Amino acid sequence: SAVISQKPSRDICQRGTSLTIQCQVDSQVTMMFWYRQQPGQSLTLIATANQGSEATYESGFVIDKFPISRPNLTFSTLTVSNMSPEDSSIYLCSVDTAGRGEQYFGPGTRLTVT
Amino acid sequence: GIQVEQSPPDLILQEGANSTLRCNFSDSVNNLQWFHQNPWGQLINLFYIPSGTKQNGRLSATTVATERYSLLYISSSQTTDSGVYFCAGVTQGGSEKLVFGKGTKLTVNP
Repeated sequence: SAVISQKPSRDICQRGTSLTIQCQVDSQVTMMFWYRQQPGQSLTLIATANQGSEATYESGFVIDKFPISRPNLTFSTLTVSNMSPEDSSIYLCSVDTAGRGEQYFGPGTRLTVT
Repeated sequence: GIQVEQSPPDLILQEGANSTLRCNFSDSVNNLQWFHQNPWGQLINLFYIPSGTKQNGRLSATTVATERYSLLYISSSQTTDSGVYFCAGVTQGGSEKLVFGKGTKLTVNP
């Protein structure tokens, strides 16, 4: 397993602004994942972030709205840009530390957009 | 992509009761996982179980990969077991994209 931290844990933002969420892991990992969980819903993968390359986005998610950085093997950021109330969700990062596809999740960032 | 179906969607138990949660997959999967999301939103790993049976205390899980389903058993349930249980899997031969079911919301009453 891994120790994964996220900042901030929660935030309330006004529409039209942007928020950058940080994800820090206590060990080096090749792949990091970002998920969104809308209220009362399941988790949906936003993108996969590999160090040193562009993030790979899932259908329905675009880089202009959710830019991702992956500057090293222990850190990643997800920005939620030009926010609207529909962006109110929990955003979670995850990692696969053992390289066998078993993912561990950070505590999540609970975002409310007013 | 694969479809993941969980049943039942909601379950209410009295403390001490046993329960079985089911997860069906539309296609063969690797890396089947069960998670518990507590009321604070934290997603806790319960089992990594691509096939076979595993047990951890009052919880156990069985995956029958050839028949594309997995079961999570909770025995002697406690109020702290309340929350949402998710199963998730990765398509064979695909990326490491983890596809989640919609979850089973479990409420254990004292």
